[in-house]
Amino acid sequence: DGGITQSPKYLFRKEGQNVTLSCEQNLNHDAMYWYRQDPGQGLRLIYYSQIVNDFQKGDIAEGYSVSREKKESFPLTVTSAQKNPTAFYLCASSTGQGPYEQYFGPGTRLTVT
Amino acid sequence: RKEVEQDPGPFNVPEGATVAFNCTYSNSASQSFFWYRQDCRKEPKLLMSVYSSGNEDGRFTAQLNRASQYISLLIRDSKLSDSATYLCVVNTADSWGKFQFGAGTQVVVTP
Repeated sequence: DGGITQSPKYLFRKEGQNVTLSCEQNLNHDAMYWYRQDPGQGLRLIYYSQIVNDFQKGDIAEGYSVSREKKESFPLTVTSAQKNPTAFYLCASSTGQGPYEQYFGPGTRLTVT
Repeated sequence: RKEVEQDPGPFNVPEGATVAFNCTYSNSASQSFFWYRQDCRKEPKLLMSVYSSGNEDGRFTAQLNRASQYISLLIRDSKLSDSATYLCVVNTADSWGKFQFGAGTQVVVTP
């Protein structure tokens, strides 16, 4: 089955700790994205990447970091610098050609206390 | 002003009825448009892309009005399983990185 996997589904961390969220896709998509969703709000773009070893900041990149060492993988690290890290994190991918329909993984709910 | 705005609802719809709602966008250069469905605490799933001429997929019809800068979604013969939040997504440039998401419109279909 082709798709996007994210792990873990739920993650709990203490304040001050860095945490890495996994995202893997076997759709052979070029582009990958990380979004954050807070209750009652739309998805906000954290980082995106079109090709291996290249990525760009989205609208809310502060306190986050990513890598794209393989086409299939786009892990997101939530650092201790992120002031409000508790959220629902969604990874998505799309082909590199229009209309750029995005497909999402099941998400990771991160709770930091 | 938000780039993509939606009425949050909820739209309470009797089973079998028709419901329609809009999404407005502010960037007149927006190129492509989508409707996603999101169930509670789940990921968004692509419902349909929205084409300039309008398009239909079963009971769902999407329209684009570039002059007034909005897209619409109409659901006919509503089913209980249609209860969800519907997200409007706009690609503000013909590029892979410029998606803006609305906060969603909640639809509740009642028996």
